[in-house]
This record gives sequence, C-alpha cells and structure tokens, in this order.
Amino acid sequence: DQQVKQNSPSLSVQEGRISILNCDYTNSMFDYFLWYKKYPAEGPTFLISISSIKDKNEDGRFTVFLNKSAKHLSLHIVPSQPGDSAVYFCAAKSSSGTYKYIFGTGTRLKVLA
Amino acid sequence: DSGVTQTPKHLITATGQRVTLRCSPRSGDLSVYWYQQSLDQGLQFLIQYYNGEERAKGNILERFSAQQFPDLHSELNLSSLELGDSALYFCASSHSTDTQYFGPGTRLTVL
Repeated sequence: DQQVKQNSPSLSVQEGRISILNCDYTNSMFDYFLWYKKYPAEGPTFLISISSIKDKNEDGRFTVFLNKSAKHLSLHIVPSQPGDSAVYFCAAKSSSGTYKYIFGTGTRLKVLA
Repeated sequence: DSGVTQTPKHLITATGQRVTLRCSPRSGDLSVYWYQQSLDQGLQFLIQYYNGEERAKGNILERFSAQQFPDLHSELNLSSLELGDSALYFCASSHSTDTQYFGPGTRLTVL
C-alpha cells in the first residue's frame, strides 16, 4: 500500500520555466511533509518542508503548496535551472504514532537548457 | 556535505554472505534512520534508532538487524544475502523528528 504517491516518474521543463512536481498521500494523519532532491551517486538533500498548519511555504525559487482536503502537495520551482535536474522525493509523516517517514517513489526532473 | 558519513561507499559480496554497513550521524543528532533504495524504487524505511534505542521499524527483513552505539554511530547488519538485497542503503540522522539529513549511501552489490 503506497501511502505517498508521485505519479509522474519523469518531467522535462525548459530552463526559465516553472517546474511543478506533484505528490499525493492517502493517510489523513500525515501532518508534516518534506521534499528532497537527489543527484546520482549522492544521498537525498533536504529541500523544503511544510506542516499541515500551513498551506504554503517558500524558500527562494522553491515553493511547496499543501491542499489538505485533496491530500495533495506540490513543489514549484521558478525559474527552473539546469542544475535543478535531479530526482525529487516527497515524504510524509504523522506527529502521532511512529516517527517514520513514508517516501514517494520520486520524480526525475530534467531541465533543458 | 550533510555531515552524515557512511562507510563503505561500495560493497560487492556473494550470496549467503554477511556484511556490515556503518553510519556516523551529524554532530548532536540523536536519531539515526536506515533506508533501502532498490533500482528505480523509492526510499524504503528500514529502522530508526534514537539515542541507542530502537524507535520505529519499517519493512526490515529478519535477516537484517541494526544497532546504535553509545557514541551514536549505527551499524546495519545484513546476513544470508540474496541477489535481491542489492541496493543503495542510506543512513539519515536528525536532531528532532523533523528534517532528516542523509549520508551519501552505500551501494551493495550481491553476486
């Protein structure tokens, strides 16, 4: 049972345009969400997070939106740069219960110069 | 550099063997997490330790075990290895239960 889903395995975007990466979850108890970026042969790197008390969080070119009623979050990258080409994972956890994160399967973003 | 170190970087071994993967968390982080990433798969949570004690368990096989030592480094032991155990194994650490910082991973190849 995949509780966190990233339904697009890959995405290609032109440099300078907006990249939108999507993530859906099924567990309504999830209340904290993170995005990680992963380059080949490296470990995932923390990008941005959002708690369920917010619906938006911004950090520079990166913005995460949370729609709790739809159980959906998205990561917007504006403007996209070639260095953003990587695999992006979303992760979710519940503050009650166990401390484990559930990760999605990732979306490979390719930003074309 | 996340501050989390993992050794070895690569490991090649044969089926039936046993290996130990090592992780040193960021300075001050009490929690250590282990993940497995198989080819084209997401990160599968294996196990978490907090200050030496097991805190949460995921889809960890009985052939796998882990521990966290008093100096907070952690080891993941994989035994009776099978071809399907070939994967990237990541360790992550955190100070609170929020943001996790990942190490560079150990690539295990079972032949």
